[in-house]
Amino acid sequence: DIVMTQTRPSLSVTPGQPASISCKSSQSLLHRNGNTYLYWYVQKPGQAPQLLLYEVSNRFSGVPERFSGSGSGTDFTLKISRAEAEDVGIYYCMQTLEFPLTFGGGTKVEIK
Amino acid sequence: EVQLLESGGGLVQSGGSLRLSCAASGFTLSGNTMSWVRHVPGKGLEWLSRISGSGDGISYADSVRGRFTISRDTSKNTLYLQMNSLRAEDTAVYYCAKAHTTLVTAPDYWGQGTLVTVSS
Repeated sequence: DIVMTQTRPSLSVTPGQPASISCKSSQSLLHRNGNTYLYWYVQKPGQAPQLLLYEVSNRFSGVPERFSGSGSGTDFTLKISRAEAEDVGIYYCMQTLEFPLTFGGGTKVEIK
Repeated sequence: EVQLLESGGGLVQSGGSLRLSCAASGFTLSGNTMSWVRHVPGKGLEWLSRISGSGDGISYADSVRGRFTISRDTSKNTLYLQMNSLRAEDTAVYYCAKAHTTLVTAPDYWGQGTLVTVSS
């Protein structure tokens, strides 16, 4: 199985300041078709997970522009350019290159 | 508008069974891969199973293979998860989720979840 690792379990951010969350996979998520199958989700308190970014850097419908993604191969980063109070939650990366789909352990973002 | 509504969760004894349902609206199951994912309280997310839009592509996580069965009724546009031989470690909130595209299983829309509690 592909192991997804988020080394930072929690992060405290000042409103208006940037935040960065890293994710590493145990093998490359680059498919032979040229796509990289790394997704980012956020689970806000008491809610179901929500899709933020797909294939590393593409924002899902309705996701604010302050969220961006980067990376390739096995190393990926989610960035929030200016954190807002509503960004509180647990952020998960997930690989969908092969079964079983696997998630990182999550990074809990708190706003100071 | 895509909507997913899970039901069927509850309290069950270890070794018992439950069947979860997920009623879908705003799209058809026959055209979309669907998954079940669970969230163990205080822990992370775990993908459990998927069924393809055609119905002939089924996959399971090792942790549930042989105990859980995914299925669907396209006439009711409803997804199911039959859970047998339940264990305490199966206690979690269970979500059904629709795949983002026909090429990937990664979810885009999720239901609100249904809580399953397995007592030992």
